[in-house]
Amino acid sequence: DTAVSQTPKYLVTQMGNDKSIKCEQNLGHDTMYWYKQDSKKFLKIMFSYNNKELIINETVPNRFSPKSPDKAHLNLHINSLELGDSAVYFCASSQRGDSLSSYEQYFGPGTRLTVT
Amino acid sequence: AQSVSQHNHHVILSEAASLELGCNYSYGGTVNLFWYVQYPGQHLQLLLKYFSGDPLVKGIKGFEAEFIKSKFSFNLRKPSVQWSDTAEYFCAVRGGYNTDKLIFGTGTRLQVFP
Repeated sequence: DTAVSQTPKYLVTQMGNDKSIKCEQNLGHDTMYWYKQDSKKFLKIMFSYNNKELIINETVPNRFSPKSPDKAHLNLHINSLELGDSAVYFCASSQRGDSLSSYEQYFGPGTRLTVT
Repeated sequence: AQSVSQHNHHVILSEAASLELGCNYSYGGTVNLFWYVQYPGQHLQLLLKYFSGDPLVKGIKGFEAEFIKSKFSFNLRKPSVQWSDTAEYFCAVRGGYNTDKLIFGTGTRLQVFP
């Protein structure tokens, strides 16, 4: 069973369009994340939700809006797509706590977004 | 602000060579440290992690890393690399308690030739 899944795997769209990426985890974790990996492979956190509550919101344009309907799902909606939004977007999840396993983040397969 | 530096951007080795990838972080408090690997076209997988205790941690696939607090370093090592180790390697730090935020380094691309 896939632990963290994302759909779609590839997304090609034109500038100005609105698109969504979905993420689901079946690990029972309470915290989920969105990361952006640029063309140079640099990985930067965008958002994080804990039990459906937004806890990390990095300097990201307002065109990006995360939504967490429940703690197993975290979606990312992007309005008015721009060329610079082209990247691979990774979802991740983790479980808060005091054990050594805490905060270990499990990553999804990524969604490669190409804006033309 | 926390940051992570990986000075080796691209490393090329022959099979059976020894590997050491550098990672330095900037954070004065308690840290948790991680090495992730990303094989071509795949997602990130955890290689190993340091939370506390023995500063020499062993991970999967024969990798190990040593936490040297005085040097703010967490270098990744493997005594003998294989062609299948070709991948991108990322060091990451979580600074302090009660924070879920991981700060990643810029990654090191490792190419191993037979």
